[in-house]
Amino acid sequence: QKEVEQNSGPLSVPEGAIASLNCTYSDRVSQSFFWYRQYSGKSPELIMSIYSNGDKEDGRFTAQLNKASQYVSLLIRDSQPSDSATYLCAVNKLGGGSYIPTFGRGTSLIVHP
Amino acid sequence: DAGITQSPRHKVTETGTPVTLRCHQTENHRYMYWYRQDPGHGLRLIHYSYGVKDTDKGEVSDGYSVSRSKTEDFLLTLESATSSQTSVYFCAISEPGTGVGDTQYFGPGTRLTVL
Repeated sequence: QKEVEQNSGPLSVPEGAIASLNCTYSDRVSQSFFWYRQYSGKSPELIMSIYSNGDKEDGRFTAQLNKASQYVSLLIRDSQPSDSATYLCAVNKLGGGSYIPTFGRGTSLIVHP
Repeated sequence: DAGITQSPRHKVTETGTPVTLRCHQTENHRYMYWYRQDPGHGLRLIHYSYGVKDTDKGEVSDGYSVSRSKTEDFLLTLESATSSQTSVYFCAISEPGTGVGDTQYFGPGTRLTVL
């Protein structure tokens, strides 16, 4: 079992809808959590980071973290065709004195007009 | 954009040949990472560095070695390339432990094909 699990999708939503992307992680010592967006043929770029339980909002994006359930999610409100991309969940944990990142396989999101 | 460059951007090589990929940063970040990305596997960590001459293995380190002699440069070497190492390779940098600094910034990637 991979340490960070995501549904590979594709997740298809109509323009203007809410897209909900989910991620679970297995290691309870994980400390920081990230969502990256990756367009086809491009490198990943940060969308949201979250460090404590609860919600964090930034524009149309909301990240939610529940450490007890080892679950982190990303909500995209008013989805646009330009949001169509692969979304990568990443988790950092401290191991052996170093910060070790682990990525999920990514969820493909398709926003159709 | 974070100042990260990778070279070469594309390379085609033959099985058994050595290959070195270079990552260069201008951000003076302490941590540097090499990932490979393959369909169905997502991003997998190959090696990382937490300072000059300080490196450690990641999830898929077999067949790869790294070196970091300067803060700004992190080299990934395939001593004898195999077809299974055909992939897109990303370099990333971060300054973890500083909150916002945990964010990783990625280079543009190198597409490597081993024939």
